[in-house]
Formats: sequence, structure tokens, C-alpha cells
Amino acid sequence: KQEVTQIPAALSVPEGENLVLNCSFTDSAIYNLQWFRQDPGKGLTSLLLIQSSQREQTSGRLNASLDKSSGRSTLYIAASQPGDSATYLCAVKETSYDKVIFGPGTSLSVIP
Amino acid sequence: DAGITQSPRYKITETGRQVTLMCHQTWSHSYMFWYRQDLGHGLRLIYYSAAADITDKGEVPDGYVVSRSKTENFPLTLESATRSQTSVYFCASSESTGRDWIFGPGTRLTVL
Repeated sequence: KQEVTQIPAALSVPEGENLVLNCSFTDSAIYNLQWFRQDPGKGLTSLLLIQSSQREQTSGRLNASLDKSSGRSTLYIAASQPGDSATYLCAVKETSYDKVIFGPGTSLSVIP
Repeated sequence: DAGITQSPRYKITETGRQVTLMCHQTWSHSYMFWYRQDLGHGLRLIYYSAAADITDKGEVPDGYVVSRSKTENFPLTLESATRSQTSVYFCASSESTGRDWIFGPGTRLTVL
């Protein structure tokens, strides 16, 4: 059974700092991996999607990498801003099924 | 959230009552999903649908019923609500490749 974990559970950094969020999954047979952002009381917004054949994806200050063999993905946020404060979730789509399994999320707080 | 709506946004009900949560999307996405989000468990898949009249169970389907007679609607029914079903429920839609994931704003359900 696929399990997705995220470390750390919470992170607080000063504005301007670069940071890395980690995601691990137990079964490397994934179709793709996505990173989402969730603001308090809101739904989820997709940030980056990495297909299983890709190593990384970039969007603005965000860069996500994928290492299937080790079952790990990282989300790198450059020059963090207070507006980046939110919960970040990773999710894997399994190869054989259409289900998507979410990690528990990392709560990020960027202090001005 | 403009393309997917959930109603009601907030609901308080009593144990044993039947409750239906509505989800409507305007993207003509093939896939639709119901997740529940709880502290300590993250997002867990309840049911999903690959197309109209095609539904399948997720991780935690017990106590829930879904239907999908039209592509754009995917209602979730709690046949006899229990306190353990107190949660925030998210509806989502996507294309089959997992791209273009759209999440609804969520329904906060409290079962007394």
C-alpha cells in the first residue's frame, strides 16, 4: 500500500530565506507526483506536476525534483515571502490506478 | 475555484440523519473525486469517478454513497451520519492524466 510522508510537519523561516520541503513515498511505481498549496479554510491549488519520466519541474521561485528510485521528492522555494505561508502537500498518482494519495502536508510560515 | 462548486459550504447535522453534499464542475473533466481532510490523517480518498455512471471506492468508502448520472455532478451522500464523519470534505476534478487538478472550496460538516 502506497504511503506518503512529509517532513517537516511545520516550518517557520524569516522572509528571504531559501527552503526545502521533503516528500517521501513507499512505492516507486508512480505515474506522477504533484505539489499542492492549501491556504487556511481553502481548497488546494496545484503548483507543480512531475511525470514519472521527469526529474524536475520549475515555476517561478518554485522547483520540484523527483527521484523515483529513492522514493523522494523535494520542493525548493527560493527567496521566500510572507505570501508563501500556507500548507504544502505532495500527492502521488499510482501507475495502475487512478487514485491519488496525499501526504499529510508541511505547514510553512514565512516571518516578515 | 471558479470552475468547481460545493454546497453547502457548512453543515451541522445529527447522528443518524442522511446528508448529501453536492459537487458541480464546469470544466467537463472526466474524473471527479471526493476527499475528506482530518487532522492527523491528511486527505483521504472516499470515492472517485472516471466518467458518468462509473464510480469506484477509495481508501475510506464505508458509510458513503456516490452517484454520477451527469458528467458535471458528483454528489456524496452520508446515509446515516456518524460523529466520526465530522470532517472537511473536498471535491476535485481532473483530466485522466492527472493534469489540471481543480479542487472545490470544501464543505465543513459537523455531526452532533
